[in-house]
Amino acid sequence: EAQVTQNPRYLITVTGKKLTVTCSQNMNHEYMSWYRQDPGLGLRQIYYSMNVEVTDKGDVPEGYKVSRKEKRNFPLILESPSPNQTSLYFCASNSRLAGGITDTQYFGPGTRLTVL
Amino acid sequence: KNQVEQSPQSLIILEGKNCTLQCNYTVSPFSNLRWYKQDTGRGPVSLTIMTFSENTKSNGRYTATLDADTKQSSLHITASQLSDSASYICVVRDYRDDKIIFGKGTRLHILP
Repeated sequence: EAQVTQNPRYLITVTGKKLTVTCSQNMNHEYMSWYRQDPGLGLRQIYYSMNVEVTDKGDVPEGYKVSRKEKRNFPLILESPSPNQTSLYFCASNSRLAGGITDTQYFGPGTRLTVL
Repeated sequence: KNQVEQSPQSLIILEGKNCTLQCNYTVSPFSNLRWYKQDTGRGPVSLTIMTFSENTKSNGRYTATLDADTKQSSLHITASQLSDSASYICVVRDYRDDKIIFGKGTRLHILP
């Protein structure tokens, strides 16, 4: 079954304690992205990756890091989490067909993070 | 700045009724426009995807339309069901830099 998995699904942590949220996809997609979703603000892109070893900042990258050492995995790292990073996080992946005309983006189930 | 604006912010209708959600965008040129359904606390799921040359796409009771001249899209839901209660998000992909721009969504509530 084609899917994007994230772990953990729920996490409560304290300010400054480094954490990693894992993301994995089994569809051999080139593109992967991380989003955060906050009430009233919709989905905002944190980082994205167009392929292995290629990552770029999205709209709200401050306080986050990512890596793309393998095609299937795209972990999100918070080196020193702060309360304003309390949010619902989604990982997503999509392929790019020949000519880049159409694509479908698949989202993971989400990770609800609370930073105290 | 590229924007995707959705209206209304929220909508309440009775089960069995039809409804139409709106999406206006300024992204130009664009690669495609997508509509997603997002249940509370879950990841968005794709409903339809249209390129600039398409003007309608259906997925069961969901029909999306696109007017590239006026930069408007709509999502029409026919014979609504309780399970249609969700947020519906319009997403446009910028052709020039591949950026994906999300609308803030319309929250739909279906009452029995």
